[in-house]
Formats: sequence, C-alpha cells, structure tokens
Amino acid sequence: QQQVKQSPQSLIVQKGGISIINCAYENTAFDYFPWYQQFPGKGPALLIAIRPDVSEKKEGRFTISFNKSAKQFSLHIMDSQPGDSATYFCAASIGAWSGGGADGLTFGKGTHLIIQP
Amino acid sequence: GAGVSQSPRYKVAKRGQDVALRCDPISGHVSLFWYQQALGQGPEFLTYFQNEAQLDKSGLPSDRFFAERPEGSVSTLKIQRTQQEDSAVYLCASSPIKGGTDNEKLFFGSGTQLSVL
Repeated sequence: QQQVKQSPQSLIVQKGGISIINCAYENTAFDYFPWYQQFPGKGPALLIAIRPDVSEKKEGRFTISFNKSAKQFSLHIMDSQPGDSATYFCAASIGAWSGGGADGLTFGKGTHLIIQP
Repeated sequence: GAGVSQSPRYKVAKRGQDVALRCDPISGHVSLFWYQQALGQGPEFLTYFQNEAQLDKSGLPSDRFFAERPEGSVSTLKIQRTQQEDSAVYLCASSPIKGGTDNEKLFFGSGTQLSVL
C-alpha cells in the first residue's frame, strides 16, 4: 500500500505561472512533511518542510499548504522559472526520522515539472 | 569534501556479477543512509549506520545486499549475484545528527546508477 500518493506525475507550466503539486498520505502518525527537488543526475535536495502545527509555510517563491483533516499537503511554486524545471518529491515521516520502518521517510513517486520559457 | 561523494557514477554489470558501490560522506557526519531509487520512483530506504554501527538494515531487499562502514566514515554497499531487478540509482546520504532524526540536515550524494544486463 502506497503511503504517500503524489500527483500529477508530470506538469508543464508557463514561465511566471504557479506550479502546484499535491500529495496525500495514509499514516496519521506522520508529523514531518518535506519536499525535495531533484535535478537530472543529482541526488534529492531538501526544498522546504512543514510540521502539522501550522497550515502553511512560505520560503521565498515556495509555499507548502497543509490540510491535516484531509491528510493532504501541497507545494506551490510562485512565479515559476525555467530553472525550477526538475523532479519534485513529497515525503513524510515520524519525528523527522530519515531511516526505515513505519516511522521512516516515505517518498511519493515524484512529479516531473517543466517550466516553459 | 564539500558534499557526499559516490563512486562509480555509473556501473554496468552482467547478471550474476558482484558489485561494490562506494560512499564518502561529508567529513564528521555520524549518520549515513543508503537508499534505492528505481526509475520513475522516489527513493526507498535500505540501511542506516551511526558511525560504524549498522543500526537498521530493514530495507535491504535480500541477503544479496550487504553494507559496511568499518571505520565510521566511508561506506560500501555490496550486491552479490546481481539481478536485473537490482537496476536502480543507489543514493547515499549523510547527516551530522546522531540518530538521524533531523531530516533537515540530511544531505544526498548524486548516486550510482547501476544497470544489470
């Protein structure tokens, strides 16, 4: 059973537009929700993360919106730029534990984002 | 070094061959993780080291997979008798945090892309 479901699988947005990627999770014990950005040939890099005590977190052009009752969270990229073209992964864990097991970091399948100039 | 270094960058193996993948973590990082990333998927946890101790190997898919970190720095992931289903990118990540519970300080390498023919 996939614990973190991510959509869409791919997304094309015009430069300057808003990119929105959604994730839904199963395990109500999850309490840490990071988003990763991965460029081709590189490892994932942490972009922004949220804990369920807040409904929104903003860092520059990147915003996470969190809906605890719906068990959903989303990434919004404002004023999307060609340099934002990458694969984005949402993830979830308990206690920000990076390892395995039921508490461990569980990734979505990724969204391939293309920003057209 | 400036980041987590992995070698080789690419590895092609014939089915049945043994392979060894190397990870040089960021100097001083006590926690080290291995993940497997299949094509079009998010990373999945394989194993976790705190210094030289392998504290969690629950994600290793079979007894053909073996990891070590004998001196608490460099780590090697070994796969014996490789199979086609082992084809994936193998990511190493390190963290200065003992116990691996601060995901915001987890840094990934660029990975080794393994292709088993």
